Amino acid sequence: ILNVEQSPQSLHVQEGDSTNFTCSFPSSNFYALHWYRWETAKSPEALFVMTLNGDEKKKGRISATLNTKEGYSYLYIKGSQPEDSATYLCAQTDSWGKLQFGAGTQVVVTP
Amino acid sequence: DTGVSQNPRHKITKRGQNVTFRCDPISEHNRLYWYRQTLGQGPEFLTYFQNEAQLEKSRLLSDRFSAERPKGSFSTLEIQRTEQGDSAMYLCASSSGTSGGTTDTQYFGPGTRLTVL
Repeated sequence: ILNVEQSPQSLHVQEGDSTNFTCSFPSSNFYALHWYRWETAKSPEALFVMTLNGDEKKKGRISATLNTKEGYSYLYIKGSQPEDSATYLCAQTDSWGKLQFGAGTQVVVTP
Repeated sequence: DTGVSQNPRHKITKRGQNVTFRCDPISEHNRLYWYRQTLGQGPEFLTYFQNEAQLEKSRLLSDRFSAERPKGSFSTLEIQRTEQGDSAMYLCASSSGTSGGTTDTQYFGPGTRLTVL
């Protein structure tokens, strides 16, 4: 059984500030770690798929790192903007390809 | 490429009624997944298809739930004799299946929100 955990559950960020949050996952039998951004009333948007220990990925002002040995990934948002307000989900793939999600980190960026 | 679509977007039903949801995946995607999300939780896996074959079902999927993917194209998820505990967001995702699924990106639809009164 895979248990993916995310912290914090929610955070409030001032516009222009940078922030980061954590996804923890069992390090055994690792295949891939996925990050999604889910805005209200929209489809979850795929941000990154990370597979290798030490992976770093970047998309605009958002970046992520992966440590498969200790079982964690960080997501960073640089210079937060109101449009970054969303729930950020991480998920680990199991051997069959299905995703095991964490509960998400809800980010609210205030002007 | 129009992305994954789901219909309806919202469904309100009375307890005991049957409901059916539809998912249209990205064309030529071999894999199709169904997930369910309840308030405060991340999405939970329900079932998935490789082409038309249903390969795995979660224990969350009771006998009242059935899913099909005829001809490996769109999929339907039916819930019979709905209960209040079935109220949730039902999400569909598809992927190319090229890596055996383990490293593929899954592309999600907007979901169907079910409310059972």
